[in-house]
Amino acid sequence: DAGVTQSPTHLIKTRGQQVTLRCSPISGHKSVSWYQQVLGQGPQFIFQYYEKEERGRGNFPDRFSARQFPNYSSELNVNALLLGDSALYLCASSLVSWAGGLYFGAGTRLSVL
Amino acid sequence: ELKVEQNPLFLSMQEGKNYTIYCNYSTTSDRLYWYRQDPGKSLESLFVLLSNGAVKQEGRLMASLDTKARLSTLHITAAVHDLSATYFCAVDEGRGGADGLTFGKGTHLIIQP
Repeated sequence: DAGVTQSPTHLIKTRGQQVTLRCSPISGHKSVSWYQQVLGQGPQFIFQYYEKEERGRGNFPDRFSARQFPNYSSELNVNALLLGDSALYLCASSLVSWAGGLYFGAGTRLSVL
Repeated sequence: ELKVEQNPLFLSMQEGKNYTIYCNYSTTSDRLYWYRQDPGKSLESLFVLLSNGAVKQEGRLMASLDTKARLSTLHITAAVHDLSATYFCAVDEGRGGADGLTFGKGTHLIIQP
């Protein structure tokens, strides 16, 4: 079975630009979460979506937005990029019950110059 | 605000030795997760601990949870080089994932032959 897939794997942008990251969850998983991992730190929660509705949001500015599609795939958008947005962006999917924990994708490494 | 503290943050040890990584958290929760991350890779789920007193073992790794002490431990027995990685604990505050997981900063483990 395919795991969580993310695209692109790497991305280079300049300050002020906008970026869209994509994620496909494990088949049967209806919840998708996004995390930002800055080098040397643990992942930090950005969003959780379930059944196309935002269920949770971490402490990130409004420049960050996301959505979930009817097939449960998801996009994360970041506007007006800052140097500090350079990070590994991880997508994770989970079953409705949550108790099984999260299954993470390989991530998208974003570099902002 | 939930805080998750791991210690040590860096650990260098020899093969064959035993050691324990500690994870303290600041709120009542009975859902704790351990993940492994290899350099440049995503997070791999190791253990899901869902109740006080939970103990799980896989190979040379054993994790336990004491919700009253707000403490989880990851014990490494007779370490081997392949266990070199960064280990994260993460806590779920239990709002159905709406707050996401809060991760510790990670323990960077190096096992030397």
